[in-house]
Amino acid sequence: EVQLVESGGGLVKPGGSLRLSCAASGFTFSSYTMSWVRQAPGKGLEWVSSISSSSNYIYYADSVKGRFTISRDNAKNSLYLQMNSLRAEDTAVYYCVRDRFQGHYFDYWGQGTLVTVSS
Amino acid sequence: QSALTQPPSASGSPGQSVTISCTGTSSDVGGYNYVSWYQQHPGKAPKLMIYEVSKWPSGVPDRFSGSKSGNTASLTVSGLQAEDEADYYCSSYAGNNNYVFGTGTKVTVL
Repeated sequence: EVQLVESGGGLVKPGGSLRLSCAASGFTFSSYTMSWVRQAPGKGLEWVSSISSSSNYIYYADSVKGRFTISRDNAKNSLYLQMNSLRAEDTAVYYCVRDRFQGHYFDYWGQGTLVTVSS
Repeated sequence: QSALTQPPSASGSPGQSVTISCTGTSSDVGGYNYVSWYQQHPGKAPKLMIYEVSKWPSGVPDRFSGSKSGNTASLTVSGLQAEDEADYYCSSYAGNNNYVFGTGTKVTVL
């Protein structure tokens, strides 16, 4: 069974930093592109970033480019999102998702971790 | 990249059908056959229901069907059941390794 478990969310002040983690199991993690998708409270979904299976290709939404860094450790079956210079508008539930890159869709989602940016 | 446009709400009685539209542009929905649909129950993570416009993931009933015409994609839920009551989001590949989601539609089973 595919499982994606996020951690690392919490309350942080504007301008602060946070690192999210995602532990993957139930599939060959090193064979898949992975992504982060977020959802602000009561709002819709927003793609944040994607990383290819070998970390050769990395993509970001314009809204986070230059502030967020996606990475992965295939030996640990883990995905990460380093978030710097956080803003109030970054407040959201962040989902770790398995990205079927060739078909451009997200087939498995974690339960999400809430990031709140507030003073 | 602007969000794809979906109606805020849709409803139907059990057993009836409901169709949700998802309107984009020629740079996203109209330009690629990479439209997917996600179901989200309150407080839960989204679940993939349709991918590549009209394909079903394993385990999704064929009561859910997808289509596309021009810049508008659609999701139809036939034979509505109580458990279909949820929020539904469309998504499209938008080129240059970008994805755009829809504004979301709340489906109510009357």
